[in-house]
Amino acid sequence: DIQMTQSPSALSASVGDRVIISCRASQSINRYLNWYQQKPGEAPNLLIHAASTLQSGVPSRFSGSGSATDYTLTISSLQPEDFATYYCEQSYSTPFTFGPGTKVDIK
Amino acid sequence: QVQLQESGPGLVTPSETLSLTCTVSGGSISNYYWTWIRQPPGKELEYIGYVFHSGSTNYNPSLESRVTMSLDMSKNQFSLRLTSVTAADTAVYYCARGGVGGHDRGSLDYWGQGTLVTVSS
Repeated sequence: DIQMTQSPSALSASVGDRVIISCRASQSINRYLNWYQQKPGEAPNLLIHAASTLQSGVPSRFSGSGSATDYTLTISSLQPEDFATYYCEQSYSTPFTFGPGTKVDIK
Repeated sequence: QVQLQESGPGLVTPSETLSLTCTVSGGSISNYYWTWIRQPPGKELEYIGYVFHSGSTNYNPSLESRVTMSLDMSKNQFSLRLTSVTAADTAVYYCARGGVGGHDRGSLDYWGQGTLVTVSS
C-alpha cells in the first residue's frame, strides 16, 4: 500500500491568513492526489482532484500543487468556514489511501 | 443534484455480519465507481472498496476476506456486507461516488452523510 503523510497535523491560524498543508506519498503517485475538507459531523467534501484541478463549486482561494511524491494545499486567505480537517488521498493505485489529516483551527 | 443515503443497522453483534445499503438519487448508478469508506471515531478515513456498474469490484486487501459489495441497478442502490465483525469495525461508514474511470476512480465527488455502526454485544 502507498502510505500518505501530512504536515502539520494541526495548525492554528487567523481569518485572512495564508495556510499551506503538505502531503507526501511513500512513492510517486504521478499527481493522482485529491484533497478533501471535513467538518465535524459531516462527510468529507472533495476540494481538488488530480493535484491541482479545483472541483466545481469550490472557492478559488483553494489551490493545489505538486508532483511525484510531494503535494501542497494552499488556502490563500482563510475564511471562517474553512476551519476544518483536511485530508489528502492518493488514487494512483488501490487500495486508495488517505493521509492522517490536518486540523485547522482558530488562533 | 446527486444524493447518496446510507441505511442499515446502527448496532451489530460481534461475529455477526454488517450490512449497509446506499441509495443513489438524482442520477444513474451507471458509469461510476461506487465506493465505501469508513472512519473509526476520531480517526482517519479508510478505503473499504468499490463496485463498478458492471459488477466488478475492488476491495482493500486488509478487509478482502470479509467484504462483499454488490449493486442493484433496478433500485439505484449498492450494498456492503462485512462478515465476522469485531469492535475494531466500529466506525462511521460512508458511501461515495468515484469518477468514471482510470485514476479518477478514487476522486470521490458525492458522499452520503455517513452512518455510525457500533459493534457491541
